[in-house]
Amino acid sequence: TQLLEQSPQFLSIQEGENLTVYCNSSSVFSSLQWYRQEPGEGPVLLVTVVTGGEVKKLKRLTFQFGDARKDSSLHITAAQPGDTGLYLCAGGSQGNLIFGKGTKLSVKP
Amino acid sequence: NAGVMQNPRHLVRRRGQEARLRCSPMKGHSHVYWYRQLPEEGLKFMVYLQKENIIDESGMPKERFSAEFPKEGPSILRIQQVVRGDSAAYFCASSPLAGGLDTQYFGPGTRLTVL
Repeated sequence: TQLLEQSPQFLSIQEGENLTVYCNSSSVFSSLQWYRQEPGEGPVLLVTVVTGGEVKKLKRLTFQFGDARKDSSLHITAAQPGDTGLYLCAGGSQGNLIFGKGTKLSVKP
Repeated sequence: NAGVMQNPRHLVRRRGQEARLRCSPMKGHSHVYWYRQLPEEGLKFMVYLQKENIIDESGMPKERFSAEFPKEGPSILRIQQVVRGDSAAYFCASSPLAGGLDTQYFGPGTRLTVL
């Protein structure tokens, strides 16, 4: 059974700090997606990583896919209160996405 | 270009009633997925449908739950004789590709409360 474990589960930081959250598995994934979910809303897709070792940047967010395609990380530079939310990683094949439980990030002004 | 639409956003049912949740995929998307999110738990896959076909229903409970995606109209997730344990947020997602990159776009969800 494929599982995705995310860490940390909770993270509370001050505006301007940097942070990294992790998504790990013992299984290989053909691709991984990162989503952000705000309370009462659906997950919003941030990025899809496909190639082992791939790095993608989205403004202050940097996503990395591990060489073996078993893990991924999300690094946020100079976090802002607007970055607050639940960050989810997901992977799978043939339509059946497996989600981690997420990292709940709170950025205080 | 409208995103994935779900309605209703909130649904309250009494035990034993039926719940019908609707999902209209993004324009041009012909693949629909349903997920359930229980309080303090992650999203769990339920079913994957294409027009008029169920592709993968491995995450669907064996009883009381059914899903369809007709040729015309939205996809429907139907829960018969609801119980309190069915209270959850139900999300629909759509994609333009079969499997493939598995990049799915989610709707805002329907929050079902069973009294």
